[in-house]
Amino acid sequence: KAGVTQTPRYLIKTRGQQVTLSCSPISGHRSVSWYQQTPGQGLQFLFEYFSETQRNKGNFPGRFSGRQFSNSRSEMNVSTLELGDSALYLCASSASGTEGGQPQHFGDGTRLSIL
Amino acid sequence: AQSVSQHNHHVILSEAASLELGCNYSYGGTVNLFWYVQYPGQHLQLLLKYFSGDPLVKGIKGFEAEFIKSKFSFNLRKPSVQWSDTAEYFCAVNARGGGSQGNLIFGKGTKLSVKP
Repeated sequence: KAGVTQTPRYLIKTRGQQVTLSCSPISGHRSVSWYQQTPGQGLQFLFEYFSETQRNKGNFPGRFSGRQFSNSRSEMNVSTLELGDSALYLCASSASGTEGGQPQHFGDGTRLSIL
Repeated sequence: AQSVSQHNHHVILSEAASLELGCNYSYGGTVNLFWYVQYPGQHLQLLLKYFSGDPLVKGIKGFEAEFIKSKFSFNLRKPSVQWSDTAEYFCAVNARGGGSQGNLIFGKGTKLSVKP
């Protein structure tokens, strides 16, 4: 069974630009969660999508948004990029989502660098 | 707000030494508890999880963790570490019901270095 796939692996952007990251979950998984990982803050929850609906949201500004498609693939968008958005963005999928307590399976992440 | 504390930022051990990594969480309701591991250059992997039942849970690679509800703790243990256990370990909590968001809250992680 293929794991969680995130594309691209690396991205370099400049301040003010926007970026879209993609995540393909494990086949059959309907929940996709996104996390931001930085050395200072660690892993922080961004949002979770389940069956194309945002089910949970962390404490991030509205510049961070996402969506999920009918095939469970998810995209995350960050607009008006700031230097502080430089981070590793991780996607995780699970069968039932965090409400059900099912363990999440993580992808390798997208390393976003803002110049 | 929920939070997870991991007491040690970096732990250095020799092979065959015993390991205990501390994890405490703050949340008054029912929780699911997880330990994840990130080996160098690899993605996060689940080590073990606790949902209910026996508070002593066994995971992969000889790891175990004990849930002590009265102490809000979920410490990770291994009797004898190997060089291949060198990695970063993350404790995570997911609150169940009670109006919580239900997202996964991670600790800051503990880097384990095992000297051969």
